[in-house]
Amino acid sequence: DGGITQSPKYLFRKEGQNVTLSCEQNLNHDAMYWYRQDPGQGLRLIYYSQIVNDFQKGDIAEGYSVSREKKESFPLTVTSAQKNPTAFYLCASSQSGNYGYTFGSGTRLTVV
Amino acid sequence: AQTVTQSQPEMSVQEAETVTLSCTYDTSESDYYLFWYKQPPSRQMILVIRQEAYKQQNATENRFSVNFQKAAKSFSLKISDSQLGDAAMYFCAYRIPGGAGKSTFGDGTTLTVKP
Repeated sequence: DGGITQSPKYLFRKEGQNVTLSCEQNLNHDAMYWYRQDPGQGLRLIYYSQIVNDFQKGDIAEGYSVSREKKESFPLTVTSAQKNPTAFYLCASSQSGNYGYTFGSGTRLTVV
Repeated sequence: AQTVTQSQPEMSVQEAETVTLSCTYDTSESDYYLFWYKQPPSRQMILVIRQEAYKQQNATENRFSVNFQKAAKSFSLKISDSQLGDAAMYFCAYRIPGGAGKSTFGDGTTLTVKP
């Protein structure tokens, strides 16, 4: 079945460490997105990509980086510059047009 | 910048009853799309229903329907015959057509269904 796979489900980061969250889709969607979800808040856009080798900053891109080398993959790196990375991270993809998003199951990142 | 406001942080409904979740948005665009997403305790986000702004007819998906008032910039979700499985956090979202299709989300409404 087509869908989006995020891994790992849980991730622990030490202070000063970079970590990478994986997001893979087999839906043949052009656009992919990374959102951050904090308790009691909605989703905030980190980065998005419309096509391979191109991506744009969202509302809260500081301390994060992404790459889009393949259509299927859109990994997110949380760098040591992100001072408060503990959150739930959601990856999504979409066809062009008026379609909604298909989401992955999320990664819970905790700083230890 | 577009904003989406969900004024009800929490709502509850008795099983088999009807509940309406509110959403308002702010935009200067005339063409856009609106969505409701459901996030159950598993945290897997699921698209519930979508509405195109150029359509006057309200969207319906089984027990879920919307009341779209374009002039008032209001987009409420009605859940009929509520079931225990409807218990979740519901997010309203706005998206402009074309471009990257990025969406703006509200802060969510937590729905409790009482047996």
